[in-house]
Amino acid sequence: SQTIHQWPATLVQPVGSPLSLECTVEGTSNPNLYWYRQAAGRGLQLLFYSVGIGQISSEVPQNLSASRPQDRQFILSSKKLLLSDSGFYLCAWSRPMTQYFGPGTRLLVL
Amino acid sequence: AQKVTQAQTEISVVEKEDVTLDCVYETRDTTYYLFWYKQPPSGELVFLIRRNSFDEQNEISGRYSWNFQKSTSSFNFTITASQVVDSAVYFCARLSSNTGKLIFGQGTTLQVKP
Repeated sequence: SQTIHQWPATLVQPVGSPLSLECTVEGTSNPNLYWYRQAAGRGLQLLFYSVGIGQISSEVPQNLSASRPQDRQFILSSKKLLLSDSGFYLCAWSRPMTQYFGPGTRLLVL
Repeated sequence: AQKVTQAQTEISVVEKEDVTLDCVYETRDTTYYLFWYKQPPSGELVFLIRRNSFDEQNEISGRYSWNFQKSTSSFNFTITASQVVDSAVYFCARLSSNTGKLIFGQGTTLQVKP
Protein backbone atom coordinates (compact mmCIF):
# COMPACT_ATOMS: atom_id res chain seq x y z
CA SER A 1 0.00 0.00 0.00
CA GLN A 2 1.03 3.58 -0.52
CA THR A 3 2.04 5.92 2.28
CA ILE A 4 3.09 9.54 2.27
CA HIS A 5 5.36 11.14 4.84
CA GLN A 6 6.06 14.73 5.67
CA TRP A 7 8.58 16.26 8.02
CA PRO A 8 8.97 18.01 10.16
CA ALA A 9 5.51 17.89 11.69
CA THR A 10 5.88 21.29 13.30
CA LEU A 11 8.32 24.10 12.71
CA VAL A 12 8.83 27.52 14.26
CA GLN A 13 11.17 29.75 12.29
CA PRO A 14 12.21 33.40 12.51
CA VAL A 15 11.47 35.80 9.69
CA GLY A 16 14.25 35.79 7.14
CA SER A 17 15.41 32.27 7.87
CA PRO A 18 15.49 29.52 5.20
CA LEU A 19 12.96 26.71 4.93
CA SER A 20 13.02 23.14 3.76
CA LEU A 21 10.02 20.85 4.03
CA GLU A 22 10.23 17.32 2.77
CA CYS A 23 7.64 14.94 1.42
CA THR A 24 8.22 11.34 0.41
CA VAL A 25 5.89 8.73 -0.98
CA GLU A 26 6.26 4.98 -0.63
CA GLY A 27 4.64 2.15 -2.49
CA THR A 28 4.16 3.77 -5.87
CA SER A 29 6.28 4.99 -8.74
CA ASN A 30 6.16 8.15 -10.84
CA PRO A 31 3.34 9.76 -8.86
CA ASN A 32 2.13 13.28 -9.46
CA LEU A 33 3.09 15.30 -6.40
CA TYR A 34 1.56 18.46 -4.99
CA TRP A 35 2.22 21.10 -2.34
CA TYR A 36 -0.73 22.93 -0.80
CA ARG A 37 -0.88 25.61 1.85
CA GLN A 38 -3.75 26.05 4.25
CA ALA A 39 -3.75 29.38 6.03
CA ALA A 40 -5.82 30.09 9.12
CA GLY A 41 -9.43 30.08 8.03
CA ARG A 42 -8.86 26.76 6.21
CA GLY A 43 -8.85 27.53 2.49
CA LEU A 44 -6.52 25.22 0.55
CA GLN A 45 -4.22 26.78 -2.00
CA LEU A 46 -2.25 24.77 -4.54
CA LEU A 47 1.34 25.98 -4.56
CA PHE A 48 3.26 23.57 -6.80
CA TYR A 49 2.78 20.33 -8.62
CA SER A 50 5.13 17.95 -10.33
CA VAL A 51 4.54 15.23 -12.91
CA GLY A 52 8.10 13.91 -12.83
CA ILE A 53 11.67 14.37 -11.63
CA GLY A 54 12.81 17.92 -12.16
CA GLN A 55 9.41 19.00 -13.50
CA ILE A 56 7.81 21.68 -11.34
CA SER A 57 4.82 23.86 -12.08
CA SER A 58 4.15 26.89 -9.93
CA GLU A 59 0.63 28.02 -9.33
CA VAL A 60 1.15 31.36 -7.62
CA PRO A 61 4.05 33.80 -7.47
CA GLN A 62 5.48 33.69 -3.99
CA ASN A 63 8.42 33.42 -1.72
CA LEU A 64 8.60 29.66 -2.08
CA SER A 65 10.10 27.18 -4.49
CA ALA A 66 9.82 23.43 -4.97
CA SER A 67 12.09 20.72 -6.22
CA ARG A 68 11.80 17.05 -7.04
CA PRO A 69 15.23 15.49 -6.88
CA GLN A 70 13.95 11.92 -6.84
CA ASP A 71 10.86 10.19 -8.16
CA ARG A 72 9.12 10.01 -4.81
CA GLN A 73 10.59 13.04 -3.06
CA PHE A 74 9.18 16.53 -3.16
CA ILE A 75 10.78 19.44 -1.34
CA LEU A 76 9.37 22.86 -0.54
CA SER A 77 11.93 25.59 0.12
CA SER A 78 12.39 29.23 0.84
CA LYS A 79 15.54 31.32 1.09
CA LYS A 80 13.97 33.89 3.39
CA LEU A 81 10.73 33.29 5.21
CA LEU A 82 8.05 35.95 5.56
CA LEU A 83 5.43 36.22 8.26
CA SER A 84 2.82 35.46 5.62
CA ASP A 85 4.42 32.06 4.98
CA SER A 86 2.94 30.78 8.22
CA GLY A 87 0.39 28.04 7.70
CA PHE A 88 -0.24 24.36 7.35
CA TYR A 89 1.57 22.77 4.42
CA LEU A 90 0.19 19.64 2.89
CA CYS A 91 1.84 17.38 0.39
CA ALA A 92 -0.24 15.08 -1.79
CA TRP A 93 0.31 12.39 -4.34
CA SER A 94 -2.10 11.16 -6.95
CA ARG A 95 -2.85 8.20 -9.02
CA PRO A 96 -5.28 8.96 -11.77
CA MET A 97 -7.95 11.36 -10.59
CA THR A 98 -7.56 11.02 -6.82
CA GLN A 99 -5.16 12.90 -4.56
CA TYR A 100 -4.05 11.51 -1.23
CA PHE A 101 -2.63 13.80 1.40
CA GLY A 102 0.16 13.57 3.90
CA PRO A 103 -0.06 14.47 7.59
CA GLY A 104 1.08 18.05 6.98
CA THR A 105 3.62 20.43 8.48
CA ARG A 106 2.57 23.32 10.69
CA LEU A 107 4.86 26.28 10.08
CA LEU A 108 4.88 29.32 12.29
CA VAL A 109 7.05 32.22 11.23
CA LEU A 110 7.79 34.70 14.01
CA ALA B 1 -13.76 31.10 -11.95
CA GLN B 2 -15.18 27.62 -11.84
CA LYS B 3 -15.50 27.41 -8.13
CA VAL B 4 -16.80 25.03 -5.51
CA THR B 5 -19.14 26.49 -2.91
CA GLN B 6 -19.83 25.14 0.52
CA ALA B 7 -22.31 27.63 1.86
CA GLN B 8 -22.41 26.19 5.37
CA THR B 9 -19.43 27.49 7.30
CA GLU B 10 -20.25 25.71 10.54
CA ILE B 11 -22.82 23.15 11.58
CA SER B 12 -23.47 21.93 15.09
CA VAL B 13 -25.57 18.86 15.83
CA VAL B 14 -26.19 16.57 18.73
CA GLU B 15 -24.96 13.01 18.51
CA LYS B 16 -27.25 10.64 16.60
CA GLU B 17 -28.75 13.42 14.51
CA ASP B 18 -28.50 13.22 10.74
CA VAL B 19 -26.66 16.04 9.04
CA THR B 20 -26.24 17.06 5.40
CA LEU B 21 -23.31 19.06 4.11
CA ASP B 22 -24.01 20.98 0.93
CA CYS B 23 -21.71 21.40 -2.03
CA VAL B 24 -22.40 23.27 -5.26
CA TYR B 25 -19.88 23.43 -8.07
CA GLU B 26 -19.35 25.33 -11.28
CA THR B 27 -17.74 23.85 -14.33
CA ARG B 28 -17.62 24.06 -18.11
CA ASP B 29 -15.92 20.68 -18.35
CA THR B 30 -17.88 17.82 -19.80
CA THR B 31 -15.88 15.33 -17.76
CA TYR B 32 -14.98 16.05 -14.18
CA TYR B 33 -14.64 14.40 -10.81
CA LEU B 34 -16.04 15.36 -7.44
CA PHE B 35 -14.59 14.56 -4.06
CA TRP B 36 -15.21 14.81 -0.37
CA TYR B 37 -12.37 14.96 2.13
CA LYS B 38 -12.45 14.96 5.91
CA GLN B 39 -9.97 17.00 7.94
CA PRO B 40 -9.99 15.98 11.62
CA PRO B 41 -8.25 18.12 14.25
CA SER B 42 -4.96 16.36 13.50
CA GLY B 43 -4.95 18.17 10.15
CA GLU B 44 -4.52 15.39 7.64
CA LEU B 45 -7.01 15.39 4.77
CA VAL B 46 -8.67 12.02 4.53
CA PHE B 47 -10.15 10.98 1.20
CA LEU B 48 -13.77 9.90 1.52
CA ILE B 49 -15.21 9.53 -1.96
CA ARG B 50 -14.77 10.29 -5.63
CA ARG B 51 -17.62 10.54 -8.15
CA ASN B 52 -17.33 10.80 -11.91
CA SER B 53 -19.47 13.29 -13.80
CA PHE B 54 -20.91 10.56 -15.99
CA ASP B 55 -22.10 8.48 -13.06
CA GLU B 56 -24.97 10.03 -11.14
CA GLN B 57 -25.68 7.04 -8.98
CA ASN B 58 -25.86 7.92 -5.34
CA GLU B 59 -23.58 6.06 -3.00
CA ILE B 60 -23.82 4.80 0.54
CA SER B 61 -20.96 3.70 2.71
CA GLY B 62 -22.01 2.82 6.22
CA ARG B 63 -23.37 5.98 7.84
CA TYR B 64 -22.18 8.12 4.93
CA SER B 65 -24.14 8.80 1.77
CA TRP B 66 -23.65 11.08 -1.16
CA ASN B 67 -26.25 12.65 -3.45
CA PHE B 68 -24.90 13.75 -6.83
CA GLN B 69 -27.29 15.80 -8.95
CA LYS B 70 -25.88 17.09 -12.21
CA SER B 71 -29.02 19.12 -12.95
CA THR B 72 -28.38 21.33 -9.93
CA SER B 73 -24.57 20.98 -9.91
CA SER B 74 -24.67 19.66 -6.39
CA PHE B 75 -22.85 16.91 -4.56
CA ASN B 76 -24.22 16.75 -1.04
CA PHE B 77 -22.93 14.58 1.78
CA THR B 78 -25.14 13.13 4.51
CA ILE B 79 -23.99 11.58 7.75
CA THR B 80 -26.64 9.44 9.38
CA ALA B 81 -26.71 9.02 13.15
CA SER B 82 -23.74 11.33 13.64
CA GLN B 83 -21.08 10.55 16.20
CA VAL B 84 -18.61 12.73 18.08
CA VAL B 85 -15.81 11.27 15.96
CA ASP B 86 -17.43 12.81 12.91
CA SER B 87 -16.44 16.26 14.19
CA ALA B 88 -14.09 17.70 11.58
CA VAL B 89 -13.84 20.09 8.69
CA TYR B 90 -15.25 18.59 5.51
CA PHE B 91 -14.12 19.73 2.09
CA CYS B 92 -15.83 19.27 -1.21
CA ALA B 93 -13.61 19.46 -4.29
CA ARG B 94 -13.76 19.20 -8.04
CA LEU B 95 -11.06 17.93 -10.36
CA SER B 96 -10.90 19.13 -13.90
CA SER B 97 -9.91 16.33 -16.25
CA ASN B 98 -8.52 19.00 -18.58
CA THR B 99 -6.13 20.69 -16.14
CA GLY B 100 -5.73 17.98 -13.52
CA LYS B 101 -6.17 20.58 -10.80
CA LEU B 102 -8.24 20.06 -7.68
CA ILE B 103 -10.46 22.99 -6.70
CA PHE B 104 -11.60 22.99 -3.08
CA GLY B 105 -14.55 24.57 -1.42
CA GLN B 106 -13.93 26.59 1.72
CA GLY B 107 -14.94 23.71 3.96
CA THR B 108 -17.71 23.12 6.48
CA THR B 109 -16.85 22.68 10.14
CA LEU B 110 -19.03 20.01 11.67
CA GLN B 111 -19.30 19.80 15.43
CA VAL B 112 -21.09 16.81 16.87
CA LYS B 113 -21.89 17.24 20.54
CA PRO B 114 -22.41 14.30 22.89
